[in-house]
Amino acid sequence: KQEVTQIPAALSVPEGENLVLNCSFTDSAIYNLQWFRQDPGKGLTSLLLIQSSQREQTSGRLNASLDKSSGRSTLYIAASQPGDSATYLCAGSTNAGKSTFGDGTTLTVKP
Amino acid sequence: NAGVTQTPKFQVLKTGQSMTLQCAQDMNHEYMSWYRQDPGMGLRLIHYSVGAGITDQGEVPNGYNVSRSTTEDFPLRLLSAAPSQTSVYFCASSRGTLAKNIQYFGAGTRLSVL
Repeated sequence: KQEVTQIPAALSVPEGENLVLNCSFTDSAIYNLQWFRQDPGKGLTSLLLIQSSQREQTSGRLNASLDKSSGRSTLYIAASQPGDSATYLCAGSTNAGKSTFGDGTTLTVKP
Repeated sequence: NAGVTQTPKFQVLKTGQSMTLQCAQDMNHEYMSWYRQDPGMGLRLIHYSVGAGITDQGEVPNGYNVSRSTTEDFPLRLLSAAPSQTSVYFCASSRGTLAKNIQYFGAGTRLSVL
């Protein structure tokens, strides 16, 4: 059974700092790894999707990497802003049509 | 383009009542799924569908039924509500298999069972 772990559970940084969020998974047979953002009381918004054949994906100030051999993915946020404050979740998906989510990292960026 | 629409946004039920959570998508997506989100337990898959007429169980299917008579709609039925079903429910859709496609989420239904 796939298990996904995100550490730390919460992170607070000053504005402008670069930061890395971590995601670990136990089953390397994932087909993709997706990072989401969730604002309080809202649904999930997809940020980046990394296919199993890819090593990383970039969108603006966000960069996500995937290392299947070590069972790890990271989300790098450059020059953080208060508007980046949210909970970030990662999810590994199998070809069978199932996703397993981590519990998320709650990020607070202080002005 | 509304994306994934969930209704209602909030619901309070008494133990033993039944209800249907509605989910509709207008993106012609084949794959749809239901999750519940509980503090400290992340999102857990309840049921999913890879196309009209096809459904399958996820991680926590007990107490829930689904059907997929059209591509657009994927309702979730609570047969006899229990306090343990108090949660936030999310519906999601994807163009094809999760192997290659982004999941799009609705805004959620917040359910309390008293």
